[in-house]
Amino acid sequence: AQSVTQLGSHVSVSEGALVLLRCNYSSSVPPYLFWYVQYPNQGLQLLLKYTSAATLVKGINGFEAEFKKSETSFHLTKPSAHMSDAAEYFCAVSEGSNYQLIWGAGTKLIIKP
Amino acid sequence: SQTIHQWPATLVQPVGSPLSLECTVEGTSNPNLYWYRQAAGRGLQLLFYSVGIGQISSEVPQNLSASRPQDRQFILSSKKLLLSDSGFYLCAWSARGRLSGANVLTFGAGSRLTVL
Repeated sequence: AQSVTQLGSHVSVSEGALVLLRCNYSSSVPPYLFWYVQYPNQGLQLLLKYTSAATLVKGINGFEAEFKKSETSFHLTKPSAHMSDAAEYFCAVSEGSNYQLIWGAGTKLIIKP
Repeated sequence: SQTIHQWPATLVQPVGSPLSLECTVEGTSNPNLYWYRQAAGRGLQLLFYSVGIGQISSEVPQNLSASRPQDRQFILSSKKLLLSDSGFYLCAWSARGRLSGANVLTFGAGSRLTVL
């Protein structure tokens, strides 16, 4: 069965520092992997997705994620945090033949000035 | 361009009262439509999805129902709300076609329901 684990319900970084949000998954077949961002009281917006092409995926707002099969990970990074990055980030996994997305519990990113 | 509208944004309802949340999509035809519920500190839970008018699939048996009276309209309803129905409800759409794990979802802004 598929599952997603996001390590850390809250991550706090200083403005300008590296952002690293962790996501580990389990899947019996090659997965599709997604990162979505949710700003307060808003819906979710796609940041990036992995669909078995390049393992390093670039998304919007300077974020990127690397698919590491051996580690079953899809961590989200950004070299330099900006105040506007403060939001909740969700990792999700699915299998091609199964439309269902399995969602992580989310990580709230806090940016310190 | 495609847009998705969801309303009301916020509502407070007494236990036992009915519920109707509406979602409409513009700028696309035959979208796949979804209702999700988001509980604090948890991921999203898929409640219903629809691949066409009148075609509704339920993922979680519960106090809620969904309908799709028009191609780009998706409604979430309840006849009698429970306290446990409180939460943040999100409507989403994906491009028409076979449901696939690769589908990208576009979400509405959400409706926050508080049942008292």
